[in-house]
Amino acid sequence: DAMVIQNPRYQVTQFGKPVTLSCSQTLNHNVMYWYQQKSSQAPKLLFHYYDKDFNNEADTPDNFQSRRPNTSFCFLDIRSPGLGDAAMYLCATSRDRGGKTQYFGPGTRLLVL
Amino acid sequence: AQSVTQLDSQVPVFEEAPVELRCNYSSSVSVYLFWYVQYPNQGLQLLLKYLSGSTLVESINGFEAEFNKSQTSFHLRKPSVHISDTAEYFCAVTDNTGFQKLVFGTGTRLLVSP
Repeated sequence: DAMVIQNPRYQVTQFGKPVTLSCSQTLNHNVMYWYQQKSSQAPKLLFHYYDKDFNNEADTPDNFQSRRPNTSFCFLDIRSPGLGDAAMYLCATSRDRGGKTQYFGPGTRLLVL
Repeated sequence: AQSVTQLDSQVPVFEEAPVELRCNYSSSVSVYLFWYVQYPNQGLQLLLKYLSGSTLVESINGFEAEFNKSQTSFHLRKPSVHISDTAEYFCAVTDNTGFQKLVFGTGTRLLVSP
């Protein structure tokens, strides 16, 4: 009965090779978020979608892009991964904006060689 | 904008002992408060939340937290911890005036030993 699913759980890529991380949800929530969490740090919001409306955080590098083709799926694209992009990437959803509870997936750990 | 401070980066405790993980927040408007738990190599799981009403909130596994507006705190407590409670605990805040992102503290690692 998984509600927020992330694939793959572990991803290894090469320096500069584009990579895509996937997130899907069975909650029919309007909002989907992508966070980056580096070792021993708090999750950092990269961007979120409110329905089809994309909202980028001001300090998110251009190297990070996202797509939401439908309500259930959201993708994180890293165009040219650097060593500093190695992290856990967390997807979350919420029914609406405005402080509603966010539900997190298990995360994808990205390793850049 | 909101901010969260978790002063203790690591809290070691023996099994069956009580524990308190501290969380203080800063905000100029009314807030919602959350505690999330993260086990190694896993995502975040919501432990408990304060949205409104009773200032004391409880989780199903024995944790509780109390919203104290005057002290701007939302400390997490458990009267008797288990080995399985070993994890990273994140306090988070958002405001209730519209979309504001969830702001996390830096986390507290709870280490329970036999």
